Amino acid sequence: DQQVKQNSPSLSVQEGRISILNCDYTNSMFDYFLWYKKYPAEGPTFLISISSIKDKNEDGRFTVFLNKSAKHLSLHIVPSQPGDSAVYFCAASARNYGQNFVFGPGTRLSVLP
Amino acid sequence: DTEVTQTPKHLVMGMTNKKSLKCEQHMGHRAMYWYKQKAKKPPELMFVYSYEKLSINESVPSRFSPECPNSSLLNLHLHALQPEDSALYLCASSQGPLQYFGPGTRLTVL
Repeated sequence: DQQVKQNSPSLSVQEGRISILNCDYTNSMFDYFLWYKKYPAEGPTFLISISSIKDKNEDGRFTVFLNKSAKHLSLHIVPSQPGDSAVYFCAASARNYGQNFVFGPGTRLSVLP
Repeated sequence: DTEVTQTPKHLVMGMTNKKSLKCEQHMGHRAMYWYKQKAKKPPELMFVYSYEKLSINESVPSRFSPECPNSSLLNLHLHALQPEDSALYLCASSQGPLQYFGPGTRLTVL
């Protein structure tokens, strides 16, 4: 049973437009959420995170929104750039899990010039 | 410095070989992790070390043997692997809820 879901395996967006990547989770114990970006044959790179006490966190072109009642979070990238093309993983953790992070299956974003 | 380093970058080994993967971080993080990632799949947790003690072992076969010699180093000893063990092996460290990943070791088992 997948605790963290990313239902869109891929997404294509025109350069300069907004990219919206979605993530859903089932475990209400999760209280910290992270987005990672991954290029082929490289390790995931941390992008942005959000704690469950917030509903929005912004860092430059990246904004993460959290809707706890819907158990849903989304990553907005605006404006999208070709260098943003990568696989984006949503991850979740809970204090009670110790150091156990759960990753979603990832969404491949392609930003077209 | 938010860097986690891993060596080697690539490794090809036979099923009878013994090899080791190495991971190092100098951020003072007290939790370190091994993940396995197959193509088009998310990272899959293998082991977690907390304060140099193994705290999580996700039912990994004994042909994978982790070791944490000190708070900065994490090794993964490999012996008698199978071709299906070919994958990208990622090391990560964390202090609190944020994990930093290394670049990974691309392992091919022939």
